Amino acid sequence: EAGVTQFPSHSVIEKGQTVTLRCDPISGHDNLYWYRRVMGKEIKFLLHFVKESKQDESGMPNNRFLAERTGGTYSTLKVQPAELEDSGVYFCASSQDLGRGDLAFFGQGTRLTVV
Amino acid sequence: GNSVTQMEGPVTLSEEAFLTINCTYTATGYPSLFWYVQYPGEGLQLLLKATKADDKGSNKGFEATYRKETTSFHLEKGSVQVSDSAVYFCALITATDSWGKLQFGAGTQVVVTP
Repeated sequence: EAGVTQFPSHSVIEKGQTVTLRCDPISGHDNLYWYRRVMGKEIKFLLHFVKESKQDESGMPNNRFLAERTGGTYSTLKVQPAELEDSGVYFCASSQDLGRGDLAFFGQGTRLTVV
Repeated sequence: GNSVTQMEGPVTLSEEAFLTINCTYTATGYPSLFWYVQYPGEGLQLLLKATKADDKGSNKGFEATYRKETTSFHLEKGSVQVSDSAVYFCALITATDSWGKLQFGAGTQVVVTP
């Protein structure tokens, strides 16, 4: 069974450009989460989808970030326009049940560098 | 609010040495506690967990005990291997965070040399 996969693994873009990150959750997992780790600090929650609906987007930093999950399958996270402080590693996780932490499976992350 | 504090890295040690990574937390309610590990080039993996006071989580030779009185969940391994080189994250989730909203620490990089 394939795990959570994220594309691309690395992205380097210039300030002001747009970048779209993609996450393919484990098949059948209704719950999908985005997290990010900025500048070697703690990994912070961004948002949570249940199927195609945003259940909790309290961690989204600002309106330059747009997450979608059309059809309740894969998800995209778009940053437009990107700023220097958006650099970091973006993690996606999925779970079948409402996660209690141990039920979430993480992808390998996308390292975003904004120059 | 909730928070997790870990010792800063990198922690560099020789193979077969004893490893301790300190983790303390602040949380409302009664959290469940976790250690996640990220090996080079891989995603985060759950290493171990504990859901109530005095519980001991263990896996792959690692152990951590949930200490409510000191709000700590220190990770230990008696004899590390080169393959244990990774970044270790302490995390919690409270009873109100019923949707997998993990609260992580900043991570501790561990480097084990032969």
